[in-house]
Amino acid sequence: RKEVEQDPGPFNVPEGATVAFNCTYSNSASQSFFWYRQDCRKEPKLLMSVYSSGNEDGRFTAQLNRASQYISLLIRDSKLSDSATYLCVVNPRRNAGNMLTFGGGTRLMVKP
Amino acid sequence: DAGVIQSPRHEVTEMGQEVTLRCKPISGHDYLFWYRQTMMRGLELLIYFNNNVPIDDSGMPEDRFSAKMPNASFSTLKIQPSEPRDSAVYFCASSPDDGELFFGEGSRLTVL
Repeated sequence: RKEVEQDPGPFNVPEGATVAFNCTYSNSASQSFFWYRQDCRKEPKLLMSVYSSGNEDGRFTAQLNRASQYISLLIRDSKLSDSATYLCVVNPRRNAGNMLTFGGGTRLMVKP
Repeated sequence: DAGVIQSPRHEVTEMGQEVTLRCKPISGHDYLFWYRQTMMRGLELLIYFNNNVPIDDSGMPEDRFSAKMPNASFSTLKIQPSEPRDSAVYFCASSPDDGELFFGEGSRLTVL
């Protein structure tokens, strides 16, 4: 089983739609969680961290469910510019510094 | 401020040749990471350094791969001899202690 699993998609949605991605992780001792965004043929960039209490940044909401070991990302009012691959990222080990493990990514395509 | 700088951006080489990829991390970042990305396997951590010292190289696929960080502003990833299955995008990333990774634009390697 992969340490971090995501549905690869693609998710094809119209502009203005709400879309949600989930990600599951295997190590219950995982310490920190993030969503990164990667545009086609570009490098990944941090979108947002995921906190235990859930957090929101504009149209984006991230939530963590430790009991079920999954992380979610909700995008409201989708824009064409949201089209990208969204990578779920987990720090799987205690005292591992910044050793992050990336999921395979979920591809989102927002259509006019 | 300059981000993480990688070179070359693209390299095409023949099987058996030596490949050297270079990275200049963001000044002041204590961690440096080398990742490899392919369609089949996604982003894989190869090795990471803390204060120029290799901490975990368990992701290095085999002895043909080696990485060095002679000082805080420079790292290399070397493949010798290269094989077609090494074709991928190789990302270097650096990080301060707070966990966010800052990626370079990547080096796209094609081994014929």
